[in-house]
This record gives sequence, C-alpha cells and structure tokens, in this order.
Amino acid sequence: QSVLTQPPSASGTPGQRVTISCSGSSSNIGTNNVNWYQQLSGTAPKLLIYGNNQRPSGVPDRFSGSKSGTSASLAISGLQSEDETDYYCAAWDDSLNGVVFGGGTKLTVL
Amino acid sequence: QVQLQESGPGLVKSSETLSLTCTVSGGSINNYYWSWIRQPPGKGLEWIGYIYYTGTTKYNPSLKSRVTISVDTSKHQFSLNLNSVTAADTAVYYCASPLMPGYLYGWAYWGQGTLVTVSS
Repeated sequence: QSVLTQPPSASGTPGQRVTISCSGSSSNIGTNNVNWYQQLSGTAPKLLIYGNNQRPSGVPDRFSGSKSGTSASLAISGLQSEDETDYYCAAWDDSLNGVVFGGGTKLTVL
Repeated sequence: QVQLQESGPGLVKSSETLSLTCTVSGGSINNYYWSWIRQPPGKGLEWIGYIYYTGTTKYNPSLKSRVTISVDTSKHQFSLNLNSVTAADTAVYYCASPLMPGYLYGWAYWGQGTLVTVSS
C-alpha cells in the first residue's frame, strides 16, 4: 500500500481536460514539494512536474500541477492519444525520512 | 545533457547480494544527489536511497538494513548493494539524478533501467 494515494485509473476523450489526484498527509504533501512522473510502457519515468507546479524544459504546457493542503493534482488539458500511459506522484516524507510515491494512475484516452 | 547507465548482473541467487553500478556521463557528479529507484514487474515505483557526491547517504527505512550506496567520483560512478535478496527484490532498477544541483528528488535524468531477477 502506497503512502500517497492515487486513483488506479482515469479516463478522458481527446481534447478533454482530465485531472489526477494525489492524496497524502501533513508529513509529506502538506510540507514538501510534489513531483509528477509520466511512464510509458517499458521505459524510465519522465519528470513532468517538479516543485508542485513547475515544468521542466520541453514538457508541454498542457501539463500543469497544483497543490492544496495535503493533496496535489496533475491536470492534462487538450488530451491526446499519446497521453495514454501511467502517471505517478512523489514527495518527501518527513516522518519516514525518505521519498514516497503514489501507487500510480493509468490514464486511458477513450 | 546528463546520461546515466546502469550495469550489473541480471540474475542473482536468493540470499546473495545484488550489486549494480551507475555510470554518469555528460555532466559533473559533484553537487548532486544520486538515487536508486526500483519497480517490480507490473507494480509501482519504490525509492531505494540516495547518495550525495560527498558520500552522505539516505535510505528507504524499509530497506535500510540491507542497502549500501557508495560513490566513486573519480570514475563518475555510484553503486548499489542490496544483500540477502529474495524474490521480492526482483525488479527493474533505475539510477536517477535530479533536475538541479542540491535537489534531493525531482529526477529529470534516468538510466534506461536494468531488470534484476532473483532466482531460488
């Protein structure tokens, strides 16, 4: 069972806006930055969002991150077929003294 | 552009030690926290630990008793040792580094990953 909670699945149609949630606690999301990763099948994860809402160079602005209290969200606007893959959130946990992940969300583009 | 490459045996016997090395190229090993992350087949990601270029380490509490991460700055390499392995340690092992110096996580650079299978 993961420390951060993500829905196992999400879906949307092309062009739609979808959000993926990541729920934690005061010892992780509540006090530390959240990062989001996209992982295509058989490949290493790719950093999508760092510092809650910052995009690395090269990540389309269709991807955005936000945080409120002990929860964070990844929003994908203008959904495209190539967005169909797995997404993970991660944060530092002060109680565990280490990085914790969400269990991952599989996004389906209908 | 930083590039990372994992190397090591793809098959380890149960109760023995898993040893992997990550070679860093295209950038400095200094001032960065270097991490190991693993992913069992069909499952999610698990952070194993990190090492700063000075040798300071931090490990996942669930693995701390079995993990050692070391760094050799002269060879631009850092390594993972995980002892007393069981089938539960079968996973793809990734080395990774953050986007910026001084960041603990927020891994922008990853190796391609190496599958390590623990056999009985």
